[in-house]
Formats: sequence, structure tokens, C-alpha cells
Amino acid sequence: EVQLVQSGAEVKKPGESLRISCKGSGYTFTSYWINWVRQMPGKGLEWMGRIDPSDSYTDYSPSFQGHVTISADTSVTTAYLQWSSLKASDTAMYYCARSILPPPRDTFDMWGQGTMVTVSS
Amino acid sequence: QSVLTQPPSVSGAPGQRVTISCTGSSSNIGAGYDVHWYQQLPGTAPKLLIYATSKRPSGVPDRFSGSKSGTSASLAITGLQAEDEADYYCHSYDTSLSGSGVFGGGTKLTVL
Repeated sequence: EVQLVQSGAEVKKPGESLRISCKGSGYTFTSYWINWVRQMPGKGLEWMGRIDPSDSYTDYSPSFQGHVTISADTSVTTAYLQWSSLKASDTAMYYCARSILPPPRDTFDMWGQGTMVTVSS
Repeated sequence: QSVLTQPPSVSGAPGQRVTISCTGSSSNIGAGYDVHWYQQLPGTAPKLLIYATSKRPSGVPDRFSGSKSGTSASLAITGLQAEDEADYYCHSYDTSLSGSGVFGGGTKLTVL
């Protein structure tokens, strides 16, 4: 079964660092881009960035460039989203999603279950 | 403010037809890039509903259809059912944002 399984919910304080994960299984991990999407409480979807696991090439939305880092480890078929210094405004649900086609034809056919990140002092 | 504009809400009675619009510009939909639609049921992850403007993934009922004209795209749902009540998002690619993916702001569909 093709699936993306994300790491569990996190509660952090402002200024702390964090890395959340997205493990792909049931398919060739290096053949499909992984994207990260933010959904703030009660709000819509925002595309954050993408990574090609075959060579770790990344693209970021200008809104998120410099604020997060996307990476991947093909040995464990896992993509990551990390912050070096969290802010309260990073409180959101974060989804990973697989693209069955490369950009610009990104089509997100499979989504992780989401990771809720809460940042509060 | 989203790059792609959707109505915040639409509604319809069971059995009726509703449409959801997604208005973009010459740097995304108008440039010929694919439009995709996702359905997000309450408390769940989004699910691919329509891809490449008008194609349905396996398992998606043919009550759902997509189209595009100029700088806009539309999702149509016929034979509305209670289970269709959800948030719907359009998604495309935008060249003015360094090759970013872009979503619409989302539309809440209420089945009356």
C-alpha cells in the first residue's frame, strides 16, 4: 500500500528548533517529489516547498524561503521539514504530499495524515 | 490573500448541481498550467479530486468534473449528496513566484 506517514504532534516553545518527518512506503521514494503544505487553524492550504528526493533539489515558496528547511534521507525513505527557531505564528497543521508529476505539473495524489505543531510559551 | 481566488462558500440542496470557481491570472491558470482540485473533509487530510483540469483519479465519482477557460477554472458537482459537504481547494503553478505551487483560498460547500 502506498502511503505517507508523518510524525506525531509537537508542542514547542518559541525559539526552539523542530524537525518533523514524512515516511514514504509502498513506492519508489526517489521517483516522486515530496511537498510540504501548511494549514493554519481554521484557514486554507499554503504550499511551502518541495524536494526531489533523488538529488535533494529543493524549491521554496517566497513566503517560507529562509524560515524552514526541507530535506530527505533516501536510506529511510523519509522527508523532513525543520525550523531552527519557532514562532507562535508557526502553529499549524503541516501536511506532506507526493507529486505524481514533476513541476510545473505537480499533482498531489497522496497526502500524509498531517502533523500538528503548537508553539506556545 | 491567495493567488487563486475562490468563493468562500457555496451551498446546494441534495440532488442539485453546484459549481466552484477558481480565478487566477496570466502567470498561472492563464499561462496554461494544470489546475487540480482537492476535497478536504472535516478533520482529515486533503484528497485529490480532479487533476490536470478535468481528469478524475480512480475511485472519484463522475459527479465531479473540472473545466478551464482563460484565467479561470471550475469544479462542478452534480447530484449533490450530504457526504460532499467539505472544503474544496484549487491548485496550480505560478511563474511569478519563483515556480511556486499556489492554492486557492478554499470554498466551504454546505449541503442544505
